[in-house]
Amino acid sequence: EDKVVQSPLSLVVHEGDTVTLNCSYEVTNFRSLLWYKQEKKAPTFLFMLTSSGIEKKSGRLSSILDKKELFSILNITATQTGDSAIYLCAVLLMNRDDKIIFGKGTRLHILP
Amino acid sequence: GAVVSQHPSWVICKSGTSVKIECRSLDFQATTMFWYRQFPKQSLMLMATSNEGSKATYEQGVEKDKFLINHASLTLSTLTVTSAHPEDSSFYICSAREAPRAREQYFGPGTRLTVT
Repeated sequence: EDKVVQSPLSLVVHEGDTVTLNCSYEVTNFRSLLWYKQEKKAPTFLFMLTSSGIEKKSGRLSSILDKKELFSILNITATQTGDSAIYLCAVLLMNRDDKIIFGKGTRLHILP
Repeated sequence: GAVVSQHPSWVICKSGTSVKIECRSLDFQATTMFWYRQFPKQSLMLMATSNEGSKATYEQGVEKDKFLINHASLTLSTLTVTSAHPEDSSFYICSAREAPRAREQYFGPGTRLTVT
């Protein structure tokens, strides 16, 4: 059974701290790994990672994929209260419908 | 950018009634739409994959007779929750993909269903 596991499930830090969110996966027909940020409504896209070892960066957020270890991390530096959200890791499968399998998410809360 | 809308944003209905949720791609044609359900503090669970003009493919454990999906056009898919029960109360989110092998899925804002 395909699965995506995120850790930690919940994290509380102070503003300015750096956080690392983890995502491991066991799937057949891996195509890409995706990171999303979910606040009150639907997820918003952050990154898509397809190749190992290539860091993707967007402002204070960065992410990297290790296809050998089946693992990805999402880093957020100099956190701000606006970073408080659920961060979802997902895997895009290479099958007939190209389904996305989501992890349970990491609930991040930034204290002012 | 690609925009997906859902209607309604939230709905409260009585047990036993049916509720229809619409998912529209506003500025692109969606060959495939996906329907997800999210319970509080849980992740998104894929319910079904809907290809325009063909029957939806349901995930294991999702009752196709209870969750009717229609993808009649390239810009509209509907999910009808039939004979709703309180345990169907959830956040329903659709996503749409523009081309058959496109990687990007665009999510709608979601519909919160409460069944009393």
